[in-house]
Order: sequence, then structure tokens, then C-alpha cells
Amino acid sequence: EPEVTQTPSHQVTQMGQEVILRCVPISNHLYFYWYRQILGQKVEFLVSFYNNEISEKSEIFDDQFSVERPDGSNFTLKIRSTKLEDSAMYFCASMGTSARYTQYFGPGTRLTVL
Amino acid sequence: DQQVKQNSPSLSVQEGRISILNCDYTNSMFDYFLWYKKYPAEGPTFLISISSIKDKNEDGRFTVFLNKSAKHLSLHIVPSQPGDSAVYFCAASASSGANSKLTFGKGITLSVRP
Repeated sequence: EPEVTQTPSHQVTQMGQEVILRCVPISNHLYFYWYRQILGQKVEFLVSFYNNEISEKSEIFDDQFSVERPDGSNFTLKIRSTKLEDSAMYFCASMGTSARYTQYFGPGTRLTVL
Repeated sequence: DQQVKQNSPSLSVQEGRISILNCDYTNSMFDYFLWYKKYPAEGPTFLISISSIKDKNEDGRFTVFLNKSAKHLSLHIVPSQPGDSAVYFCAASASSGANSKLTFGKGITLSVRP
């Protein structure tokens, strides 16, 4: 069964450093998303991406964040200068056109900012 | 801003009995609802969904009921099995073009006792 994959599973970085989180969505999906979950809190929407551009972003997704689909398979989230409060689980999700509104999630990347 | 509320943080049921997980929402623009199951250190796994044009959707042991007038939905698991022990998230979407971001509740931890 096709699945969303994410790398790395755990990323530890120093405050102020740049990180890139990588995702490979399900191959025939066209809609891509990033969410995050701070420990003990809700899963929160960050950004949606369709047709090579951002469809919507939350207020969390400020200028320090960017997304890119550099090739036909990868979808990346970059945080330019990490802050302590960026420590969270980051989930990538993708959605196809046959089952609209059903998003399939990857296993997540645990980001720890020291 | 709790647009999706799961007011009970945990539920414990005996194996073989019914588990009923509740969810309330406040945003009347939501028209698609999903339940996800999550194990520790994994991403949310899609379980079942329901469109606002329906009031019930069934898939095997899982049934979701939607009461639009009360802005309430529930997930029934019958019979409950120990492997069902996980965190269950209710999520909602307002079908607005390509966006369809999901808004999540805080989750309910279900424990099924053997």
C-alpha cells in the first residue's frame, strides 16, 4: 500500500541553524501539507501546497519557513533559523483527487532545537 | 480557538465492548470530518470519514455518526480490541478548493483492557 515517507525521523539542531525536513508524498497525489504537533498539544496546520505554489498558510508559517517541491517526488519544509519553540513533531501529508479531503500522513520528523 | 473539541482526554473499555469517542465542532463551514488513529512515535493513520451530506458511515468495526444540528460526531468501535488502544483524533475540513486544511481536536486516548 502506498505511503508517505519522511526523513529524517529525528533531527537535532542548534538554535539559529537551518533545517530541511523531507517528505516523499504518495506518488499520484497532487495536494501536499505540513503539520506540526508540539508535545502535549494539538496537531496544527502549517501550510498547503498545490500546483507548485502555496495554497494556504497558517500564522505559524512565517518568513522563517518555506516549502519546495524540488523534483517530481520530494516535498520539503525548510526552517531558516530555528528557535527553541520550533521543537515539535512535523508531519507531512498528501491527498489525491479520488478521495478528496482525505489526507494521508507520514510518520513524522521529531525536531529538537537546543 | 478550539473549533474542534474532544472534551474527554481518555477512555477505558473492556475488550469486546463498544468504544464511543465523541467530538464537537463550532465552525459551521466544516463539511467533512475524519477520524485518525495515532500510535506513539507514528503519524496519524486515517480510519474513517464522513461528509456532511450523510449522518452515518460504516467500515467494518468502525462507524461514524454525524449530528449536524448539534455539531457533534462520534466514532463507535465494536467490538473493541486491545490493538485499538491508541490516541484518536477527530479532524474537520471546510471544502474550499485546493486548501481543505484539517483542523484537529486534542485527541482521546483509548485503552482497551483484555
